[in-house]
Amino acid sequence: KAGVTQTPRYLIKTRGQQVTLSCSPISGHRSVSWYQQTPGQGLQFLFEYFSETQRNKGNFPGRFSGRQFSNSRSEMNVSTLELGDSALYLCASSSNVQEPTEAFFGQGTRLTVV
Amino acid sequence: ILNVEQSPQSLHVQEGDSTNFTCSFPSSNFYALHWYRWETAKSPEALFVMTLNGDEKKKGRISATLNTKEGYSYLYIKGSQPEDSATYLCAFRASNYQLIWGAGTKLIIKP
Repeated sequence: KAGVTQTPRYLIKTRGQQVTLSCSPISGHRSVSWYQQTPGQGLQFLFEYFSETQRNKGNFPGRFSGRQFSNSRSEMNVSTLELGDSALYLCASSSNVQEPTEAFFGQGTRLTVV
Repeated sequence: ILNVEQSPQSLHVQEGDSTNFTCSFPSSNFYALHWYRWETAKSPEALFVMTLNGDEKKKGRISATLNTKEGYSYLYIKGSQPEDSATYLCAFRASNYQLIWGAGTKLIIKP
């Protein structure tokens, strides 16, 4: 069974640009959540999707948005990039957010904003 | 505002010693408590999902207990090994499915 796949693995963007990151969950998983990890910080929760609906949202500005498609694949978009957005972005999938199942994480996308 | 606290923030333990650390979470609206291990340069890996008060789970030398009434969970590592060095994260899921992560306990095993 393939794991959670995130693309691209590395990305360099300039301030003011926008970026879209992609996450393909484990087959059969319907929940996808996104996280930001910056140096010295723990996991900061961005949002969680289940069956194409945003179920939870963290405390991030509106420049951060996401969506989930009918095949459970999810994308995260950051508009008007700032230097502080440089981080490792992780996504995780789980089989059913209505039951407390474990989440499986992807390898992450490392975004550098210059 | 729901908050999850992990203590200590970091911990140095001699190889072979046992250790434990704490995750404190809201005692109301509990749904589940998750423990993850996050090794450097890898992705977080699930250890336990705990749902019932008094639950105790074990995986090899690692075990965890849960007290939902007072809002805490302990993670125990018996006979620490260098490969146990990692950041241990807990996450609280509320009954409205809100998910809140602790900042983690960084464990360093000294050979």
